[in-house]
Amino acid sequence: SAVISQKPSRDICQRGTSLTIQCQVDSQVTMMFWYRQQPGQSLTLIATANQGSEATYESGFVIDKFPISRPNLTFSTLTVSNMSPEDSSIYLCSVPRTGNLMNTEAFFGQGTRLTVV
Amino acid sequence: EDKVVQSPLSLVVHEGDTVTLNCSYEVTNFRSLLWYKQEKKAPTFLFMLTSSGIEKKSGRLSSILDKKELSSILNITATQTGDSAIYLCAVGAIKAAGNKLTFGGGTRVLVKP
Repeated sequence: SAVISQKPSRDICQRGTSLTIQCQVDSQVTMMFWYRQQPGQSLTLIATANQGSEATYESGFVIDKFPISRPNLTFSTLTVSNMSPEDSSIYLCSVPRTGNLMNTEAFFGQGTRLTVV
Repeated sequence: EDKVVQSPLSLVVHEGDTVTLNCSYEVTNFRSLLWYKQEKKAPTFLFMLTSSGIEKKSGRLSSILDKKELSSILNITATQTGDSAIYLCAVGAIKAAGNKLTFGGGTRVLVKP
């Protein structure tokens, strides 16, 4: 199984500021996924980070608010920009165990618990 | 739009009880159904199901998929307090924009001593 290191583990931020979350994987993966889990809710996919191309965003999420970098096959960052209290959530990165997400399970990083005050 | 619905939303049982969790889905280009256990932040993988009628077991946990009924169940027998968690169901589907998982709302299980 892939070892995924995500940081920070948690943060409390002032509204209007930005936070960058990092995700490091111990092996090369083609696709990395970023999820948001709002309090009491399930996981919602924000975007798919592809190496060498722009991230693919899901409906309701835009690049200006959640810019993503994917400089190589083992690393990605998600930035939550101009934060408001509604951005308080757990943010999770995820990778498939093998190259094809449809034939394998996905593993998750430890998550980042963000509180915006 | 793909939908994954889990029931019940939550339940409270005592140690030793058996629980059955349900997951139903409406997705196009279904490929797989996955169960996860979430205790703190990171979901941990339990099962992946792709074929109908084939039960997967891991200790006291088991799961089965019914593609005709578009549903799956997760059973936990002889529950322990360590089974207290949110159980998430996710469905994998092949999409033109890229393959992805859609998660259900989860079932919160509390096992009392």
